[in-house]
Formats: sequence, C-alpha cells, structure tokens
Amino acid sequence: KAGVTQTPRYLIKTRGQQVTLSCSPISGHRSVSWYQQTPGQGLQFLFEYFSETQRNKGNFPGRFSGRQFSNSRSEMNVSTLELGDSALYLCASSLVADQETQYFGPGTRLLVL
Amino acid sequence: GESVGLHLPTLSVQEGDNSIINCAYSNSASDYFIWYKQESGKGPQFIIDIRSNMDKRQGQRVTVLLNKTVKHLSLQIAATQPGDSAVYFCAEKAAGNKLTFGGGTRVLVKP
Repeated sequence: KAGVTQTPRYLIKTRGQQVTLSCSPISGHRSVSWYQQTPGQGLQFLFEYFSETQRNKGNFPGRFSGRQFSNSRSEMNVSTLELGDSALYLCASSLVADQETQYFGPGTRLLVL
Repeated sequence: GESVGLHLPTLSVQEGDNSIINCAYSNSASDYFIWYKQESGKGPQFIIDIRSNMDKRQGQRVTVLLNKTVKHLSLQIAATQPGDSAVYFCAEKAAGNKLTFGGGTRVLVKP
C-alpha cells in the first residue's frame, strides 16, 4: 500500500505570493492533518480534516487555510507569504478522525525569499 | 497553553548501548502518547504508542514507559544501532484534542 504522498517536495516563493500544497493520504484513510515544522518552533499543528470537514485548527493566522476533497486528498494554502513561513510542511493521515497512529508524508519544504 | 517538552536536546550513545529519551508533559488529561522518529529529509515515522491505562509497552527493541504521577514519558532503545540516529519526538493527546508534539531529541550513535 502506498504511503502518504506530498507534492511538490520543494518550493521557492517570494514574499507576498501564495502557495498551494497537496497531500494524498494512504488509501482508505479519511483523516488528514497538516503540520508546520521549523527549527525554532518544532512541529506545530495547523489543521485536521475528516470527511471534507475541518475538525480541529491550530493557532495560525487566517492566511493558512486548507480543504479536503471527497477522495480524502487534501490541500493547504498559504496566502501573502512571509519570510517566517519558510518551513517543512508535513501531512499525516489516519484511518479515522482521532489523529492516533498517524502516518506522515515526506513533507514539502517551502522557502520564502 | 499545554505543552510537551523534552529534557535533553541531544543524546550521544555508543553503538550497542541502550538509549533512554525522556519527555515531560503538562496536560494531566492526556490519555494517549506516541513516539516518532524523524530521519534527515524524511517525515516522522511512528515508533510506538501507549495509552494512559498502561505504564509500559514493548515493541521491537523499544520500550515506552509512562509515569502519570509525575507526567513523564520515556523511550528506551535497546542495543542502539547506527540506523537509530535521528530526532525523536514524543506527542500527547487528550480525547477530542489535537496531538501536541514535544521539541525533539537528537540521538547520535557513535561507532
């Protein structure tokens, strides 16, 4: 069974631009969570989606948004990029909406210049 | 807010020795705990989990210990190997809440 896939793997953007990251969960998994990982802040929870509905949201500004499609694939969008948004963005999937036994993808490394 | 933290940012261990990685958590309502391993350039990989109704759980070469009295979690790796070099994260979760990760401990295995 294929693991969690994330595209693109690497991305370079400039301040003020917007970006969309994609995540395909493990087949059959219906819950997708997004995290931001930086050296200074560690792994921080962004949001969780289950059955196309956002169930939980972390403490990030409204510039960070996401959605989930009927096939459980998820996208996250960051608008008006700031230098501090440079990070590794990780997606994790789980069978049900409890975030337990999550399986992570390789991440998308975003660099904002 | 509630947080999960680690005592040691870096742990150097001789190959073949046992490793112990510690983690303190502050949310007494947390009832589920997980350890993840993250190698360079990869996403975190699930190692082992434990629920609050247990105080010990064993996997292959790994053991997780939970002390709810002092809100402490540890991961023991037996006979540490070079492939165990990575950053290890603990995470905790209370029912209905999101998963909260600790800051991570880097384990360096010396040959």
